[in-house]
Amino acid sequence: EVQLVESGGGLVQPGGSLRLSCAASGFILSSYAIYWFRQTPGKGLQWVSGISGSGGITAYADSVKGRFTISRDNSQNTVSLQMNSLRAEDTGAYFCAKDLFPHSYSIRGPSDYWGQGTLVTVSS
Amino acid sequence: DIVVTQSPDSLAVSLGERATINCKSSQSLLSTSNNKNYLAWYRQKPGQPPNLLMYWASIRESGVPDRFSGSGSGTDFSLTISSLQAEDVAVYYCQQYYNTPYSFGQGTKVEIK
Repeated sequence: EVQLVESGGGLVQPGGSLRLSCAASGFILSSYAIYWFRQTPGKGLQWVSGISGSGGITAYADSVKGRFTISRDNSQNTVSLQMNSLRAEDTGAYFCAKDLFPHSYSIRGPSDYWGQGTLVTVSS
Repeated sequence: DIVVTQSPDSLAVSLGERATINCKSSQSLLSTSNNKNYLAWYRQKPGQPPNLLMYWASIRESGVPDRFSGSGSGTDFSLTISSLQAEDVAVYYCQQYYNTPYSFGQGTKVEIK
């Protein structure tokens, strides 16, 4: 059974850092791109970042570029999102999700399995 | 960036009746290399993550009931629920995966009339 479980969310002050993790099971992680999304009442669903199965290709939303870094350790079946210089507008529920299609060297597809999400609150 | 806009924002339909949600993209999502539209539909119930319904605009994901159908090409797309069931009460989103950032529509809330 495919499972994705996020962890690492919490309350952090503006300017602080958090590292989110996505633990994957039930599929060959190295064969699939993984994405991070976030959801807020104000801006709805947003794509945040993506990483190819091999880890060689990454992409970011403009709003997080230069502050967030996505990485993966296929041997540990985990994908991480390092979030620095956090702002109030980064507050929301963060989800990791698996690409529908096998992509070792690409990030371009819809997401068929999602985790339950982890909540990030940036506030003083 | 590609902007995706859904209409209407909310929709109330009687049980067993048809519901149609529209999705418009600011640029074409049709790839000339493979003749596919890079458009997906999701359903999100309260307290749950989104659930993939359709991809390539009109291909039903495994396990999705056939009362769901997707249509359209280029910049204009639709999701139709042919006979609304109680379990279809949710917020529906379209998403383009043609170019990063892979943007979503603002969502359409479907309720029972």
